Amino acid sequence: GAVVSQHPSWVICKSGTSVKIECRSLDFQATTMFWYRQFPKQSLMLMATSNEGSKATYEQGVEKDKFLINHASLTLSTLTVTSAHPEDSSFYICSAMRQSNTEAFFGQGTRLTVV
Amino acid sequence: DQQVKQNSPSLSVQEGRISILNCDYTNSMFDYFLWYKKYPAEGPTFLISISSIKDKNEDGRFTVFLNKSAKHLSLHIVPSQPGDSAVYFCAASLVGSNYKLTFGKGTLLTVNP
Repeated sequence: GAVVSQHPSWVICKSGTSVKIECRSLDFQATTMFWYRQFPKQSLMLMATSNEGSKATYEQGVEKDKFLINHASLTLSTLTVTSAHPEDSSFYICSAMRQSNTEAFFGQGTRLTVV
Repeated sequence: DQQVKQNSPSLSVQEGRISILNCDYTNSMFDYFLWYKKYPAEGPTFLISISSIKDKNEDGRFTVFLNKSAKHLSLHIVPSQPGDSAVYFCAASLVGSNYKLTFGKGTLLTVNP
């Protein structure tokens, strides 16, 4: 099956620093990638939809200047958490959709801890 | 190696009847399980979860059962509604994995009016 690789799987950073999370579709072209955030035992919340070559569409309540999303190619989307704070500590997961398919494939997720 | 398996790619039931979606896992270290629902071209939405210390969790029409000895969990939807038609993903979390989730491939549920 299709593989979506998300890196890193976990990261610890200091408050005020920025962290970049990569989401790669390894064996297919993904025109659309989704970024989610999940607190422990809570729902996976969609943060933004990333389309290759265009600006990401952010969900209501998500600060686009804080969560920078870049989808520069059909196989790579990045999420940068800028000026991270402890309240940004969470689990972030991406999913990618095939170019001609509505099925989404998920990355393994990234556990971010801001100290 | 598929650690979380949803062996039925599709399921069709009549409105008002019970839908039972199954999920098997191979890694006994998984300690937290979730079900997600997904409509075409949309992101998944969380449905219900269960910790490995429990064997049942209920939320409205949705009930998840966990059988640790069999490494099996199931999602029951009753009564089923046409709006429940979607793909359902089972996911599992590994002890010490920092909430890394392993997903099944999903089961397409179709509820016929």
